[in-house]
Amino acid sequence: DTEVTQTPKHLVMGMTNKKSLKCEQHMGHRAMYWYKQKAKKPPELMFVYSYEKLSINESVPSRFSPECPNSSLLNLHLHALQPEDSALYLCASSKPGQGAREQYFGPGTRLTVT
Amino acid sequence: AQTVTQSQPEMSVQEAETVTLSCTYDTSESDYYLFWYKQPPSRQMILVIRQEAYKQQNATENRFSVNFQKAAKSFSLKISDSQLGDAAMYFCAYRGLIQGAQKLVFGQGTRLTINP
Repeated sequence: DTEVTQTPKHLVMGMTNKKSLKCEQHMGHRAMYWYKQKAKKPPELMFVYSYEKLSINESVPSRFSPECPNSSLLNLHLHALQPEDSALYLCASSKPGQGAREQYFGPGTRLTVT
Repeated sequence: AQTVTQSQPEMSVQEAETVTLSCTYDTSESDYYLFWYKQPPSRQMILVIRQEAYKQQNATENRFSVNFQKAAKSFSLKISDSQLGDAAMYFCAYRGLIQGAQKLVFGQGTRLTINP
């Protein structure tokens, strides 16, 4: 199984809402990632979890709150977002550390903030 | 900091022909990985091919091959016998390590159109 799943596929939320994005993998990977991708742009790294601990936060605003409750799950909690946060949010996973090779990506969640 | 540059925002090719996408990168590291990812309109990022920097031999995956020039920091992708399903955005990516964790640095992408 080389699949990373993400739910929901689409999400529309108001600026006062609280919502969560979910990512799951069953490949035994111990590194998981959140990326933000705007239209016609490459993905931009937001967070990296390694062995369920946050190892990289790319100066992401606090209205985005990641959580890694276990080695298979990664959540992104959203609160008080702005319209400019509308984007495709991609989750990825990989083996951790220097010996790891590629990252496997999920299909993404298309987020629209109104 | 590592950077990745794709100088071709758009490319087009006739079906069954060959096309080459360009990528250059900058790094001070000696051991790293380079990737080409494909993102079709369905949005899923799909790994096309991988190259380990310590390997001199160019990677090949069926119709996809790379020309890896380490000294020139160049990593181009050649697609042979282009098919309609190859139409997508192609991203070149460099894998570095920060605090022991992987970080992928992407180029700006090349949109590939296949003409029937």
